[in-house]
Amino acid sequence: AQTVTQSQPEMSVQEAETVTLSCTYDTSESDYYLFWYKQPPSRQMILVIRQEAYKQQNATENRFSVNFQKAAKSFSLKISDSQLGDAAMYFCAYRSAFRDTDKLIFGTGTRLQVFP
Amino acid sequence: DTGVSQNPRHKITKRGQNVTFRCDPISEHNRLYWYRQTLGQGPEFLTYFQNEAQLEKSRLLSDRFSAERPKGSFSTLEIQRTEQGDSAMYLCASSLGTVEAFFGQGTRLTVV
Repeated sequence: AQTVTQSQPEMSVQEAETVTLSCTYDTSESDYYLFWYKQPPSRQMILVIRQEAYKQQNATENRFSVNFQKAAKSFSLKISDSQLGDAAMYFCAYRSAFRDTDKLIFGTGTRLQVFP
Repeated sequence: DTGVSQNPRHKITKRGQNVTFRCDPISEHNRLYWYRQTLGQGPEFLTYFQNEAQLEKSRLLSDRFSAERPKGSFSTLEIQRTEQGDSAMYLCASSLGTVEAFFGQGTRLTVV
């Protein structure tokens, strides 16, 4: 079975600085998707960034980028130029690329605090 | 608002009562998912529909839980004979057969 581990329950960063959130996963599958979701307090979860395992190039979305290390099964999220609005819970998630299952497997989350 | 809508947002019930939650997915999204999130944890998969067919159920979904998606539109999740351990946030998500799932704001259930 696949598992996702986020070893940092809480992280903090100063506004305009850079922070990296860690995620490791375990799978025997060769093709899959990895995601970072953001869950602000009392608001719905939104997708921040995704990575297809077959792509070697790391995904980037504006201030958000990932460091995908397939052999090490590591998928970290880097937030550059942090803003107060980035404060939220961040969840790393895995999804198999096989068509017979669509479920997301989530880690336990990292609470990010942003200080002015 | 064309996002995923969940009702009610909050539900307090006495132990042993039945509760039903509703999820309205984004229009034309053929896939719908239910997840449960307890405090300090990430969401855990409960069940998944493609159109009206329930294709996968987690072992977390005990006999007291049932989900339906009549006509492949909205979905309901019913919990019978609620227990205190059922207290959680119940999240619904939908997708259009692509990789990205869009989440609703959730229904927070408190069993007293």
